Amino acid sequence: DAGVIQSPRHEVTEMGQEVTLRCKPISGHNSLFWYRQTMMRGLELLIYFNNNVPIDDSGMPEDRFSAKMPNASFSTLKIQPSEPRDSAVYFCASSLGQGITEAFFGQGTRLTVV
Amino acid sequence: LAKTTQPISMDSYEGQEVNITCSHNNIATNDYITWYQQFPSQGPRFIIQGYKTKVTNEVASLFIPADRKSSTLSLPRVSLSDTAVYYCLVGDGVYQGGKLIFGQGTELSVKP
Repeated sequence: DAGVIQSPRHEVTEMGQEVTLRCKPISGHNSLFWYRQTMMRGLELLIYFNNNVPIDDSGMPEDRFSAKMPNASFSTLKIQPSEPRDSAVYFCASSLGQGITEAFFGQGTRLTVV
Repeated sequence: LAKTTQPISMDSYEGQEVNITCSHNNIATNDYITWYQQFPSQGPRFIIQGYKTKVTNEVASLFIPADRKSSTLSLPRVSLSDTAVYYCLVGDGVYQGGKLIFGQGTELSVKP
């Protein structure tokens, strides 16, 4: 398996624009996590899905952020409108679920909002 | 979720054994202790997980005392490539999928 695949790897956008980050989890994994990492705040859990259903979105900073998982092999994190403070590295991770806490992370998307 | 406390940074030299201790005083009965490693510009990577006593794999050893209120990650004979941030996580391994909360981590710097 190729592991967790995220796209794009880098994104530069202007303030106010919509940004969509994509994630393909490892086949057969039931849980999917979205994280954001900055120097100031470290690695923050934004939302996590189990069997394509959002379980906990308490980490989503505000209504500008939304996440979907239409099927077991694809998830998106959307920011609309984007702001400079959203600049960060966004990671997607997946795990088998069912009590397994080993999560596999993608390479991340480095987002820069100017 | 149990709160974890670990040193912000540590320095070491190649060939030395490095021990990173994590405190988790309010660990719950169902909680497992998991350590992740993160290299610059990469996502975190699972290293080791344990519940009690000692666990060893090809990368590291994890020591957990009987009261489970702390744990120590031991890296034998570190090399420059072990320079990374190490995170200690405590969570319910029984809950489906788990909820992985990362603290600040320990930034390990290995010098020649």
